[in-house]
Amino acid sequence: GAGVSQSPSNKVTEKGKDVELRCDPISGHTALYWYRQRLGQGLEFLIYFQGNSAPDKSGLPSDRFSAERTGESVSTLTIQRTQQEDSAVYLCASSLMVLAGPRGTQYFGPGTRLTVL
Amino acid sequence: KQEVTQIPAALSVPEGENLVLNCSFTDSAIYNLQWFRQDPGKGLTSLLLIQSSQREQTSGRLNASLDKSSGRSTLYIAASQPGDSATYLCAVRLQGAQKLVFGQGTRLTINP
Repeated sequence: GAGVSQSPSNKVTEKGKDVELRCDPISGHTALYWYRQRLGQGLEFLIYFQGNSAPDKSGLPSDRFSAERTGESVSTLTIQRTQQEDSAVYLCASSLMVLAGPRGTQYFGPGTRLTVL
Repeated sequence: KQEVTQIPAALSVPEGENLVLNCSFTDSAIYNLQWFRQDPGKGLTSLLLIQSSQREQTSGRLNASLDKSSGRSTLYIAASQPGDSATYLCAVRLQGAQKLVFGQGTRLTINP
């Protein structure tokens, strides 16, 4: 079946502009995660959605970052007034209910490479 | 705060060798540990997931071990091949948490 998809694959923007990144999770996956990977660094958790529960926003680096998810479908990550330090690969992942066993495995999309000039 | 460290940062070996990648974590109260590979320009591919109650998992030429009490995991790759060249990431999920905490990865190069 189809994996996690993300769009666009690449985005170049000017400092100060807003950008919107999209993630389509695997069908039936109730959990969705956003991570960021800056050059030469490890992945950083940004935000987590689980069904209709309140999202865990503890990883968002500033109030310029926000994300939405409608039900168990598409999610969008929005970065307002982009800064050069926002340049990174933004990765989305999804999983089934976060219980023990393979169902807890997170499946990652190919990422969106964001470059802020 | 959970910290995950991977050593070495980079490793280059001849084809056919067996090798071990190391991962350590500071908080032993983990729910599970996962190994991924990341190819340039691509997303992450899950290789093995070890639950906190397990000691090891095997898939083909890959074997991952977990010693929760010492905060360590190893990924053993047998009979390495050039196609194994990638960055290998270790990630832990803490009990009661949903997010993964990642190490910075080991960049592996297998030379033909």
